[in-house]
Amino acid sequence: QSVLTQPPSVSAAPGQKVTISCSGTSSNIGNDYVSWYMQLPGTAPKLLIYDNDKRPSGIPDRFSASKSGTSATLGVTGLQTGDEADYYCGTWDSSLNAVVFGGGTKLTVL
Amino acid sequence: EVQLVESGGDLVQPGGSLRLSCAASGFTFSSYAMAWVRQAPGEGLEWVSTITTSGASAYYADSVRGRFTISRDNSKNTLFLQMNSLRADDTAVYYCANPSTRHWSQLDSWGQGTLVTVSS
Repeated sequence: QSVLTQPPSVSAAPGQKVTISCSGTSSNIGNDYVSWYMQLPGTAPKLLIYDNDKRPSGIPDRFSASKSGTSATLGVTGLQTGDEADYYCGTWDSSLNAVVFGGGTKLTVL
Repeated sequence: EVQLVESGGDLVQPGGSLRLSCAASGFTFSSYAMAWVRQAPGEGLEWVSTITTSGASAYYADSVRGRFTISRDNSKNTLFLQMNSLRADDTAVYYCANPSTRHWSQLDSWGQGTLVTVSS
């Protein structure tokens, strides 16, 4: 059981837009910055978004994110088959004194 | 370019021990906290431990506290994870990662991972 809650899967057609939610509490998302990670099949995770809504260099602006209260959302527009991956949200939990992740969301581009 | 290369993963019997290493390059290792994150087969990411820049302080997930010990050698740019009393549910790919200097939950770079299998 993950501390942060994500939908197990989402899907959409190429070129369309999809959003992935990440729900937490006042001890984690409500109290710290959220990061998002992308994990392509068989590879290590990669930082996709940091500080709630910032993209590292090299990440296309098709990827965006936001945070409100105890929830965060990742958005992907102009979906491509190469976007098929598992996506994880993460933050610090001040009650657990631990880094916590969501259970991950598998994005399928139909 | 940041490079993190894990090693030491192996098949080990329940109750056994294993020591993982992570060789870091491309950044000033001693200026960054470091972390281990694991992923059981077919499962999500689970944070394991984080160690401060000097190694003076370390933090652990409840699932490994008292069994695992994180350490570092700043002179050799290497991170370690000593794993004792291993259990079947410790089976996972173990990733080394370097947190941002501002937020430990922001894991900027990851290694390729090393597989630990605990089975008799």
